[in-house]
Amino acid sequence: AQSVTQLGSHVSVSEGALVLLRCNYSSSVPPYLFWYVQYPNQGLQLLLKYTTGATLVKGINGFEAEFKKSETSFHLTKPSAHMSDAAEYFCAVSAPSGNQFYFGTGTSLTVIP
Amino acid sequence: NAGVTQTPKFQVLKTGQSMTLQCAQDMNHEYMSWYRQDPGMGLRLIHYSVGAGITDQGEVPNGYNVSRSTTEDFPLRLLSAAPSQTSVYFCASSTIMRATEAFFGQGTRLTVV
Repeated sequence: AQSVTQLGSHVSVSEGALVLLRCNYSSSVPPYLFWYVQYPNQGLQLLLKYTTGATLVKGINGFEAEFKKSETSFHLTKPSAHMSDAAEYFCAVSAPSGNQFYFGTGTSLTVIP
Repeated sequence: NAGVTQTPKFQVLKTGQSMTLQCAQDMNHEYMSWYRQDPGMGLRLIHYSVGAGITDQGEVPNGYNVSRSTTEDFPLRLLSAAPSQTSVYFCASSTIMRATEAFFGQGTRLTVV
C-alpha cells in the first residue's frame, strides 16, 4: 500500500529565503513520486516528478526535489522564494502497477515580503 | 488545447437533490478519475476508470456514481446530496503508461445546504 505524509500544513518564509517542503512516503515497491502546486481557485499543476534514474529532479519555477530511498523522502526545495510561490503544494505517490495517485494532505506556503 | 474541462465551476444544492458534475478531456487519455478535496485531508479518490465501459471505486465512493461511455467523458453523479458532500471536486486524466502524471481540471466547488 502507498501513502504520503507531508510535515507541516503551513509554512511561511520570507521572500528570497530557502523554501523546504517535506514529504515522506510509504510504499511496498519503488514508487513514482510527484509534487503538484495549486494556486487559489485553480486545479493542480505538476511541478516535477521522479520515476527512475537521477535522484535529484528539477521542475518548473526553480523548484527541485531529491528522492532519498534510505529516508523514504522526497522533499521539495527552492533556493529563493518569490511572492508568486504562495500556493498549496501536494506530494503524491503512485504505484508502478497502476495509475492511482495517493496524495498528502498538502502544505500551504506563505511568502512574506 | 482545453485539457480537462469541468462544469459547473460552482453549484449550490439542497439536501436530497441530485446532480451531475461533468468532466471532459481532449487528450485521448485512457485513465480518468474523480477526487474530492477537503481542508486538511488532501485529495481523496472517489471513482476511477481505465477506459470506456470500465469503472471502479476509490477510497470514498459512497453517495457517488460514475459511468464511462466514451473515452472523453467521465461524469460524476450525486444521487441524493448530503451536507457531508460539500467539497471541491476535481477530475483528472492520464495515460495508462507507467510513471505518467495526471492532468487536472479547474474544479467544481459544491455546497450542499
